[in-house]
Amino acid sequence: EPEVTQTPSHQVTQMGQEVILRCVPISNHLYFYWYRQILGQKVEFLVSFYNNEISEKSEIFDDQFSVERPDGSNFTLKIRSTKLEDSAMYFCASDTGTGHQPQHFGDGTRLSIL
Amino acid sequence: AQKVTQAQTEISVVEKEDVTLDCVYETRDTTYYLFWYKQPPSGELVFLIRRNSFDEQNEISGRYSWNFQKSTSSFNFTITASQVVDSAVYFCALSGNTPLVFGKGTRLSVIA
Repeated sequence: EPEVTQTPSHQVTQMGQEVILRCVPISNHLYFYWYRQILGQKVEFLVSFYNNEISEKSEIFDDQFSVERPDGSNFTLKIRSTKLEDSAMYFCASDTGTGHQPQHFGDGTRLSIL
Repeated sequence: AQKVTQAQTEISVVEKEDVTLDCVYETRDTTYYLFWYKQPPSGELVFLIRRNSFDEQNEISGRYSWNFQKSTSSFNFTITASQVVDSAVYFCALSGNTPLVFGKGTRLSVIA
């Protein structure tokens, strides 16, 4: 079965540095998403992306965050100047586009900010 | 606003017991979807089920069953004859005209 893949599985970065998290959504999916889960807490929506632009974003997704689909397969989340509180698990998800119903999540990237 | 409440923070059962995880939701959307995800200790999110608001039929899949009751805004999840491998955090989630909103999760520990 097709899967959403995320790299790296674990990223350690110094505070203030830029970080890029990468995702390869399922190939025939049209909607892409990033979610965040701070350790021990619930999963929170960050941003959705469709037709090469952001379709929706949460209040968490401030100017430090950006998303991009640089080619036909990758979907990236960039954090410009990382803070300690950005430490979390970041999940990418994709969906066919029949409404906002992501069912297919990647295994996540654990981001640790030192 | 959409909201999902999982009142049970942690549940501990002995292997082979049945266990029900509760989920109550709030939404003003007339069309919405409900989900359950499993998050094992390894951290990934495993999709278990999606149910739309027009389909109140209960569903059974092996040892798993789901009870959707629109009248009480609940979508409860039962594991029959629990096993140690069922130990995980289980999240209920809701999607209407907004992206997925997750509950805080219920941590299930199944003890051998």
